[in-house]
Amino acid sequence: DIQMTQSPSTLSTSVGDEVTITCRASQSISSWLAWYQQKPGKAPKLLIYEASNLESGVPSRFSGSGSGTEFTLTISSLQPDDFATYYCQHYNDYSPTFGQGTKVEIK
Amino acid sequence: QVQLVQSGAEVKKPGSSVKVSCKASGGSFSSYALSWVRQAPGQGPEWMGIIIPNFGITKYAQKFQGRVTLTTDESATTAYMDLSSLRSEDTAMYYCARLRVCSAADCPYYFDYWGQGTLVTVSS
Repeated sequence: DIQMTQSPSTLSTSVGDEVTITCRASQSISSWLAWYQQKPGKAPKLLIYEASNLESGVPSRFSGSGSGTEFTLTISSLQPDDFATYYCQHYNDYSPTFGQGTKVEIK
Repeated sequence: QVQLVQSGAEVKKPGSSVKVSCKASGGSFSSYALSWVRQAPGQGPEWMGIIIPNFGITKYAQKFQGRVTLTTDESATTAYMDLSSLRSEDTAMYYCARLRVCSAADCPYYFDYWGQGTLVTVSS
């Protein structure tokens, strides 16, 4: 299986900051990558698909980039509602795997 | 509006089985591709398998082969996940999730609608 590694594991930050989360794949996955946001006790929510396509209804402060093995999720100006855990997930083959998550917390 | 509503929490003994349901509303159930994803406490999600009734496709993650069975009842617009030979490591939140797009040409395995989750606890 392709391994997905996120960094950092935890990010302490403030409202208004720009936040960048990195996701690395153990082999090339082209642009077959999705990003999710998860809040405690809730299911994951799709933010980005195909590395850079914003899901309908997701605020434009979220953006994704990258291809091959290295990807980033950027939140341009962090809002109070954005404190959550973020996961990347590849779908390059029929055995999708998720990263271990990046928790964005209040500094 | 698509909605996936799962059955309630379960407590099971090691060695037993659990069956979790996922009732869909909104959209056309026959065109759905549904996956099951589990998440152990403090861990990232883990994909278990997929069922695409329209194309007669059922696939399982290698880790769960032989222990998991995915089925659907189209008349009830409900999907089911049956996991057998339960052990303590199977304690997790189990989610059903719909593929965002799925056609005869391609079904990329990423998910736009999720159920609320079903907590399965395996304990003696």
